[in-house]
Amino acid sequence: AQKVTQAQTEISVVEKEDVTLDCVYETRDTTYYLFWYKQPPSGELVFLIRRNSFDEQNEISGRYSWNFQKSTSSFNFTITASQVVDSAVYFCALWSTGGSYIPTFGRGTSLIVHP
Amino acid sequence: DGGITQSPKYLFRKEGQNVTLSCEQNLNHDAMYWYRQDPGQGLRLIYYSQIVNDFQKGDIAEGYSVSREKKESFPLTVTSAQKNPTAFYLCASSSLEGIYEQYFGPGTRLTVT
Repeated sequence: AQKVTQAQTEISVVEKEDVTLDCVYETRDTTYYLFWYKQPPSGELVFLIRRNSFDEQNEISGRYSWNFQKSTSSFNFTITASQVVDSAVYFCALWSTGGSYIPTFGRGTSLIVHP
Repeated sequence: DGGITQSPKYLFRKEGQNVTLSCEQNLNHDAMYWYRQDPGQGLRLIYYSQIVNDFQKGDIAEGYSVSREKKESFPLTVTSAQKNPTAFYLCASSSLEGIYEQYFGPGTRLTVT
């Protein structure tokens, strides 16, 4: 069975602070993909990143960075110098390639960035 | 541009009425999905379809029905049997060719009073 845990329900920061959103996953498959999505107040899920299980390189995209550690089954997301526009709900998801066509989503972390 | 469209964005219905939510994609994806999202909650899978004329129940299919007569269309009907239909509904699609990525529509916010 697959499981994704986002233990942080809500995080509140002040603009320009760095913030890390945690994601811990469980799967028995050796080949899988991990995702982060952003859901702004408008509601649409915006794809941020996909990482496959064989690529443990960290990734940086502007103010966003992702830390993938198979040893701890974690795929954490850091926003550096947060901005008010970063306020959204962020979802982590896992998709194992063992024949399932259904990804598993975490419950999401609501990030509130205060000016 | 390729993508997923859902219409309308906001929908209001009286209790006891069936309502159908539209989802269309022009990405040539084989798989399509419907999710329900309640305030402060994650995504819950209602139905999914991997091929035309075939679909499977997700975690919360009771009170919902779907059809998949065309590859690009996957409408969801919220029936009067659904006890708490007010929610945000998201449609998604994905390729089944090993790409493993879901694309989401803008969602429909359904309010039933």
